[in-house]
Amino acid sequence: GAGVSQSPRYKVAKRGQDVALRCDPISGHVSLFWYQQALGQGPEFLTYFQNEAQLDKSGLPSDRFFAERPEGSVSTLKIQRTQQEDSAVYLCASSLVTRGDAFFGPGTRLTVL
Amino acid sequence: QKEVEQNSGPLSVPEGAIASLNCTYSDRVSQSFFWYRQYSGKSPELIMSIYSNGDKEDGRFTAQLNKASQYVSLLIRDSQPSDSATYLCAVNMPRAGNNRKLIWGLGTSLAVNP
Repeated sequence: GAGVSQSPRYKVAKRGQDVALRCDPISGHVSLFWYQQALGQGPEFLTYFQNEAQLDKSGLPSDRFFAERPEGSVSTLKIQRTQQEDSAVYLCASSLVTRGDAFFGPGTRLTVL
Repeated sequence: QKEVEQNSGPLSVPEGAIASLNCTYSDRVSQSFFWYRQYSGKSPELIMSIYSNGDKEDGRFTAQLNKASQYVSLLIRDSQPSDSATYLCAVNMPRAGNNRKLIWGLGTSLAVNP
């Protein structure tokens, strides 16, 4: 596709529910990043993939958060037993491995009630 | 000290003026610097990237990097109302253990008044 796509765009979950957020990066981009952005804040790094390898997951806030990219393309961020503090916009970005420029998808706005 | 600092603003400039946005960072070995624009309710959009000291120009935008002072700025010439947005500074932090990990400022809100 022409850009990074994410689905769903909006997700409302009851506290304790599991959610899965999907990211389709730009074709050919080997690097993929997940960020969390709270209202009025800058993005906070969650995790980074190079192809299918998860090279850095230091930003995942707890073991309830899990990300995968099994075939080096589409990635899924899963949040188990959602809590209210998980409410945020989850942004996915991709880039060519040889360049630093990252392009963002539209984000998924997660609201946990 | 925060790793990447920006004035939150709002910065208000008249249409046609030069808007100057500033960012300081804490890691002396940072190598990659980015300016993103984010409209309300939208995702960040890359405006400029800069990797070496000096100025880099792209249309109405100029990024300036001074590694000795750990300072990066974005100048917007001939500001337009459509430039009104939050501008985010992002810097890579090799000391964080991953050269590709970006640390972000909180953003500066810019308002260009017609």
